[in-house]
Amino acid sequence: QVQLVESGGGVVQPGGSLRLSCEGSEFTFSSYGMHWVRQAPGKGLEWVAFIRHDGSNKYYASSVKGRFTISRDNSKNTLYLQMDSLRTEDTAVYYCTRDAVAVAGSGTRSDHWGQGTLVTVSS
Amino acid sequence: DIQMTQSPSSLSASIGDRVTITCRASQGISNYLAWYQQKPGKVPKLLIYAAFTLQSGVPSRFSGSGSGTDFTLTISSLQPEDVATYYCQRYNSAPLIFGGGTKVEIK
Repeated sequence: QVQLVESGGGVVQPGGSLRLSCEGSEFTFSSYGMHWVRQAPGKGLEWVAFIRHDGSNKYYASSVKGRFTISRDNSKNTLYLQMDSLRTEDTAVYYCTRDAVAVAGSGTRSDHWGQGTLVTVSS
Repeated sequence: DIQMTQSPSSLSASIGDRVTITCRASQGISNYLAWYQQKPGKVPKLLIYAAFTLQSGVPSRFSGSGSGTDFTLTISSLQPEDVATYYCQRYNSAPLIFGGGTKVEIK
């Protein structure tokens, strides 16, 4: 069955950087767009970014545009989220999710979710 | 950006009750709407997509309806395992906005 395993979370100071990774398995990673979704402690879900299956298009939430970069390496079945200029409000569990539709254009619903990795931005 | 507003933010109902959650888009999104269930301490799970299509394996007591700007998620007979927070999400175009969530509890 589809597996998504995130890594790279941790504690970072405001203004710092962090790179999250998500390794996918048991599906053809290169055929699916991928998302990052986050959830601040005790709060709701917030969509963060999407990348097309081939990396040709990327989309971002306005709250992270210009600070976060989504990318992927299909040869390694791995999705990334480079987070720069981190703020305290970026503190959240970050989930990697698979788009439900192969070769989707700008993203659709998420049919598989990883367990998440916690990012804490604090001085 | 098209915003998504869910109501109520929380509700309490008895076992066997019919429960309805609404989600309103600030502009029309056709039927590009999904519903997710997140049980306490768990990862979100896709329940419904395209406004009314049940994801594989989801119990038939869950149903979705609506199109354009107004959508509903209905649980026909609330069960103890349905205690969760439910989120709608539009996906007509990026950014893919989630609603604020509705927490469902047992009375």
